[in-house]
Amino acid sequence: DIQMTQSPSSLSASVGDRVTITCRASQGISNELAWFQQKPGKAPKALIFASSSLQSGVPSRFRGSGSGTDFTLTISSLQPDDFASYYCQQYNVYPVTFGQGTRLDIK
Amino acid sequence: EVQLVESGGGLVQPEGSLRLSCAASGFTFTDHYMDWVRQAPGKGLEWVGRIRNKVSSYTTEYAAPVKGRFTISRDDSKNSVYMQMNSLKTEDTAVYYCAKVNMVTQDDYWGQGTLVIVSS
Repeated sequence: DIQMTQSPSSLSASVGDRVTITCRASQGISNELAWFQQKPGKAPKALIFASSSLQSGVPSRFRGSGSGTDFTLTISSLQPDDFASYYCQQYNVYPVTFGQGTRLDIK
Repeated sequence: EVQLVESGGGLVQPEGSLRLSCAASGFTFTDHYMDWVRQAPGKGLEWVGRIRNKVSSYTTEYAAPVKGRFTISRDDSKNSVYMQMNSLKTEDTAVYYCAKVNMVTQDDYWGQGTLVIVSS
């Protein structure tokens, strides 16, 4: 199985900060990577598909990049609604696998 | 409006069985693959499995921890997907989500989740 390693596991930041979360795949996955946001007690919601394609309705402050094994999710200017957990997911090969998650808290 | 509604969760003893259901509405169910994703208490997301559509012969994929114990099926006449869970273990305790995640059309829909607790 492809292992997805996210860093950091947790992060404290302030409104207006720029934050970056990284995700590394144990083998190349082309650009077949998605990013999900999850708030406590709620189902996840996809932000980005194909490494960098923003899902409709997702604010432009979210940006994804990368290909192969190394990927990043950047939030350019944190808003109060962005404090949540974030997960990367590879869908290049089965089984589909998620990263362990990054919890983003208010500093 | 797309809706996915899971049911069937509850408390079950180790080695027991449970069948989860997911009722779909608001889209052409027969066209789409359907996933199950779980989340243990306080833990991250874990993909459980997928069932493809009729065009793809209803074939399935599973994560290693559940392969051979869980079986995903669907009834297109009822717009429903199911997951039969056998030989349950304490580590299967989780909220189970039904999801429609389409990487081609780049959209996703999730149910509210159903809690499965495996404990004696």
